[in-house]
Amino acid sequence: VQLEESGPGLVKPSQTLSLTCTVSGDSVRSLTHYWTWIRQPAGKGLEWIGRIYTSGNTNYNPSLKSRVTISLDRSNNRFSLILTSATAADTAVYYCAREAEGTDRSGDYYYYVDVWGNGTTVTVSS
Amino acid sequence: NFMLTQPHSVSESPGKTVTISCTRNSGSIASDHVQWYQQRPGSSPTTVIYEDNQRLSGVPDRFSASIDTSSNSASLTISGLKTEDEADYYCQSYDRSSSLIFGGGTKLTVL
Repeated sequence: VQLEESGPGLVKPSQTLSLTCTVSGDSVRSLTHYWTWIRQPAGKGLEWIGRIYTSGNTNYNPSLKSRVTISLDRSNNRFSLILTSATAADTAVYYCAREAEGTDRSGDYYYYVDVWGNGTTVTVSS
Repeated sequence: NFMLTQPHSVSESPGKTVTISCTRNSGSIASDHVQWYQQRPGSSPTTVIYEDNQRLSGVPDRFSASIDTSSNSASLTISGLKTEDEADYYCQSYDRSSSLIFGGGTKLTVL
């Protein structure tokens, strides 16, 4: 399974950040995985942005929810991230990833990333 | 919501054993499974451990993990340290809305 991010590396402040992740070796129609965006500012830690399921259902980080949309393109086996009203604080490496939903012996669900893309750097600057 | 706190850095010599902690500040560490990721310099993260202590396929058995309810923390232990283990390590859990929560990361230096 491979994931590859693509999109503009430079976005002006207040404009919209838009990225696409192309999936190979698996299908975004998968019933066993979610498709996820995670970002990492330079020298800092990882921040989960959100995920989408084949049904189109989404979950977003509450801190970004008002500005984020994740969508699926089933015909081209890819998914996308839109982040509106970008600021310098959105400058980061953006990773797309495949997220697994596991079930433990108690029948409880848990979530983790099992495949990561290589990441793409997005700079928000005028 | 809760936070996961990791030491900023740890260091150890090749061949030795090192343990990286991940402490949850509210709620039980046992209530939501913990995962661990390795990020080598200049690379994207890779998954090392899922469901508290399960190694992903291909991960050497030098890597092990556990949770400790008395300290409300999870730990990643790497034995027989190699220079290739030098990386940032992140713990991760999830909240009631299934949002992923990451720890701040620990830089492991193998010197």
